[in-house]
Amino acid sequence: SAVISQKPSRDICQRGTSLTIQCQVDSQVTMMFWYRQQPGQSLTLIATANQGSEATYESGFVIDKFPISRPNLTFSTLTVSNMSPEDSSIYLCSASTSPRNYEQYFGPGTRLTVT
Amino acid sequence: AQKITQTQPGMFVQEKEAVTLDCTYDTSDPSYGLFWYKQPSSGEMIFLIYQGSYDQQNATEGRYSLNFQKARKSANLVISASQLGDSAMYFCAMSPDQGAQKLVFGQGTRLTINP
Repeated sequence: SAVISQKPSRDICQRGTSLTIQCQVDSQVTMMFWYRQQPGQSLTLIATANQGSEATYESGFVIDKFPISRPNLTFSTLTVSNMSPEDSSIYLCSASTSPRNYEQYFGPGTRLTVT
Repeated sequence: AQKITQTQPGMFVQEKEAVTLDCTYDTSDPSYGLFWYKQPSSGEMIFLIYQGSYDQQNATEGRYSLNFQKARKSANLVISASQLGDSAMYFCAMSPDQGAQKLVFGQGTRLTINP
């Protein structure tokens, strides 16, 4: 199993600013993902964080708005850039130890409010 | 494209009763994985159960079982002997292969257990 921590757990930010969310896993994992959960909604995949290369973004999400880094096998960051109130959501990091292993673990989430 | 549909926005069940949460899916891929997650009010995503598309038997994990009907493209979650602590949002999700890769989530069902 893997334990995932995220920082910060919550934040209130002003419109136009940026916030970087950190995701730390307690063991090496193969795959890391970033999801967004808007208020009262389901989870939507933002991107797959690739170690040592550019992230793979889903339709509707772009690198300029959500730059992602993954410098090693246990750590990733997601930046929410030039924030607007529509970016108010919970952002969740997830990871799996192998693409053939069905277990996918989630972090506790970062609750972001943009005013 | 893969799609998950959960048609029950909310369910109310008496404690100790069994409950079935519905999930139907759509995919043209022969290999896929089906997941159920629980999200309590605290926000974390708790993995409950997994079913691979080639698995011959329905998955079971303690009080949780997955009623997998491949021809009908349904993957309903059955919780036996419900408890007050089962009150939460429940999400059905799907991966494009039998491994834990990126997940597509349904809209969720809010389950409330009444004493």
